[in-house]
Formats: sequence, structure tokens, C-alpha cells
Amino acid sequence: EVQLLESGGGLVQPGGSLRLSCAASGFTFKNYAMTWVRQAPGKGLEWVSSISGSGDRTYYADSVKGRFTISRDESKNTMYLQVNSLRAEDTALYYCAKSGTRSEALDFYYFDYWGQGTLVTVSA
Amino acid sequence: QSVLTQPPSVSGAPGQRVTISCTGSSSNIGAPFDVHWYQRLPGTPPKLLIYYNSRRPSGVPDRFSGSKSGTSASLAITGLQAEDEADYYCQSYDSSLSGSVFGTGTKVTVL
Repeated sequence: EVQLLESGGGLVQPGGSLRLSCAASGFTFKNYAMTWVRQAPGKGLEWVSSISGSGDRTYYADSVKGRFTISRDESKNTMYLQVNSLRAEDTALYYCAKSGTRSEALDFYYFDYWGQGTLVTVSA
Repeated sequence: QSVLTQPPSVSGAPGQRVTISCTGSSSNIGAPFDVHWYQRLPGTPPKLLIYYNSRRPSGVPDRFSGSKSGTSASLAITGLQAEDEADYYCQSYDSSLSGSVFGTGTKVTVL
């Protein structure tokens, strides 16, 4: 059974940093791209960042480029999102999601399994 | 503001058929990149409903179907049930943004 468990969220002041984690199990982690998607309060889903199965391709939404860094550790079956220079508009529930395809190309990604999410609140 | 536009809400009586549109452009759906659909029940993470425009994952009832034409895609729910009351999102890839994009979301209400 595929399981994704996010952690690392919390309350942080504007300009602060956090490291989000997504622990994966139930599938061959290295074979699949992984993605972060967020949902701000009262808003829709927003794609944030993706990383290929090999880890050598990373993709970012313009809204987070230069501030967020995605990575993965195959030895721990875990994906990370380092979030820096946080703004109020980054307040959201952050989901990790597994790609449903083994393709390395972002244009083929869809998301067949999702975690429960970790809440990031940016406030003074 | 998303580049994929959905109606904010649709509603129908139990047993009826409802459709949700997802309107894009030549840089995403019309490019043509594939469209995928997700259902988000209150308090739960999104669930994959349709992938690659019209394919259903195992376990998804055949009441749910997807289609795509030109720069738009649609999700149809036939035999609407109370448990279908949820938010629905389309997703594709946009070459201008060089990223994945979600639609604005549609709330389905069962009357």
C-alpha cells in the first residue's frame, strides 16, 4: 500500500524558513517523480515543485522559484522541500504527491497518490 | 489566477448527469497536453479520478468519465450520488509557464 507522510510544517514569521519532508513507502521510490502541491485557505490547488525519479530534474512554479528547493534522498525514501524567505501568501496546506507515470518529463506528470498534508502558517 | 478555468459550481439532483468544463489555451490543453481530474472531498486530500484525458484508475466508478477537445476538457458524472458532493480540479501542463497547472476548481452540490 502506497503511503505518503508529510511533516515539518508549523508557524513561522515572514522571512523565515522551514524544511518540509515527505516519507514514502509501498512503492519503488527511485522510479517515480514526486511533487509538492499546496492549497491556501479558501483557495484552489497550486502546483509548487516537482523532482524527477532520478533527482536530476527539478521544476518550480514562478511564485516560489529562487526561494524553495526540492530534493530527495533515495536511502531514506524521502522527499524534501526547503522553504526560505517565507511570505504570508505561502500560508497553505502543503501536500506531497506521487507521479502516476515513470516518465521523467514534467508534461506527463499526474498524481495518483497524495499525503494528508502539512500546514505552513506564515505570520508575525 | 489559474490558466485553466472551471465553473465555480455545478449542481444536480441525485441520479442526474452533470458536466464540469476545464477551459485552457494553445499552451496547455490545446498544445495538446493531457488533462487529469481530481476529486477533493471535505477534509481529505485530492483523489485521482481521471488521467490522460479519459482513463480511470482502478476503483473509480464508471459514472465518472473524461473527454478533451481542442482547448477544453470535460468531466462528466452520471447517476449523481450524494457522496459525489466535493470539489473537482482539472490539471495539465503549460508550456508558457513551464509547469504543471491546476484548474480553478468546481464545487459539485447534490440537491
